[in-house]
Amino acid sequence: DTEVTQTPKHLVMGMTNKKSLKCEQHMGHRAMYWYKQKAKKPPELMFVYSYEKLSINESVPSRFSPECPNSSLLNLHLHALQPEDSALYLCASSPSSWDRNNEQFFGPGTRLTVL
Amino acid sequence: AQSVAQPEDQVNVAEGNPLTVKCTYSVSGNPYLFWYVQYPNRGLQFLLKYITGDNLVKGSYGFEAEFNKSQTSFHLKKPSALVSDSALYFCAVREGYAGKSTFGDGTTLTVKP
Repeated sequence: DTEVTQTPKHLVMGMTNKKSLKCEQHMGHRAMYWYKQKAKKPPELMFVYSYEKLSINESVPSRFSPECPNSSLLNLHLHALQPEDSALYLCASSPSSWDRNNEQFFGPGTRLTVL
Repeated sequence: AQSVAQPEDQVNVAEGNPLTVKCTYSVSGNPYLFWYVQYPNRGLQFLLKYITGDNLVKGSYGFEAEFNKSQTSFHLKKPSALVSDSALYFCAVREGYAGKSTFGDGTTLTVKP
């Protein structure tokens, strides 16, 4: 199984809502990533988890809260988002975070709209 | 800091013609370079990578890339373009510490029948 899955595919939420994005991989990868991508722009790194521990937070606002319950799962909890947070949220994984040889495997993304 | 640049926002080619999508890089030490493709409303898909060795790297879907150290370039190529190759292409460099990837701004490839 060489796939990264993300749910939901689409999410519409109000600024006062709490929601979560979910990502799953069964490739045995020990690094997992959250990216935010605006239309026709490159992905922007948000968080990196290595061996289920947060290793990078790219100064992301606290209204985004990542969680890595186990080596296969990655969640992104959302609370009190702003309309400018509307974007495609991509999850990715790789065998490790420090081995530059490895490409990243991306999920299809969650299209988030904040009203 | 490591960086990659894609000088063209848009590349248009006719089906059956060769295509080139350009990428230049700036790194300290050995470069670890990648190409990804993104179809509309999808995630990124890995095409190929240069780590070390042969300067011509072959990848998925008939794509290849030429690494040129003197010109600090890693251009993506395909001998004969297909309409289905139309997509957004990203060049990326991988940093060793903590696994950060730095992406270029992307190039939209349009292949016309």
